[in-house]
Amino acid sequence: GAGVSQSPSNKVTEKGKDVELRCDPISGHTALYWYRQSLGQGLEFLIYFQGNSAPDKSGLPSDRFSAERTGGSVSTLTIQRTQQEDSAVYLCASSLRRAYNEQFFGPGTRLTVL
Amino acid sequence: QQQVKQSPQSLIVQKGGISIINCAYENTAFDYFPWYQQFPGKGPALLIAIRPDVSEKKEGRFTISFNKSAKQFSLHIMDSQPGDSATYFCAASSATTGGQFYFGTGTSLTVIP
Repeated sequence: GAGVSQSPSNKVTEKGKDVELRCDPISGHTALYWYRQSLGQGLEFLIYFQGNSAPDKSGLPSDRFSAERTGGSVSTLTIQRTQQEDSAVYLCASSLRRAYNEQFFGPGTRLTVL
Repeated sequence: QQQVKQSPQSLIVQKGGISIINCAYENTAFDYFPWYQQFPGKGPALLIAIRPDVSEKKEGRFTISFNKSAKQFSLHIMDSQPGDSATYFCAASSATTGGQFYFGTGTSLTVIP
């Protein structure tokens, strides 16, 4: 079946603009994660969803970042008033449940803030 | 605070050689340790994983060695091939900590033909 998809694949925006990044998880996967990967860096956890609720928002770097998930499926990560330090690849992953299950990653959205 | 420490940051190995990447953790509640492989422009993909009830797990040329007392685990790639050139991430997780995956900072592996 289809894997995790993300859109857009690339996004270039100007400093101060808002951006929305979309993630379509694998059908039936209840857990959804967002990560940020800066150039040459590891995976920085941002937020986790179980169904439509987000019990763990501990990784969101500031109040400019928010995310929602609707219908237990599609998730949107919104970054308001983008800054140059927000430039990174944003990865989405889904899994059947949270612990002990393989996370399937999407290809990521490369965000560049000019 | 980095929950999982990974080394080396980069590694260059000759074709046919053994690649070894090491990870260390502090939280003794972790009980699931996966390794992910990432090629440029792609998302990470699960390579192999281990639970602490065994000291070693082998899948083809890839082996995880786990030392519970030392709180360390490592990935060994035998007979390394140019196609293995990628970034490798270790991770740790536990249901008792909410199941969040803590990733290492990654190792960029280059296998020279």
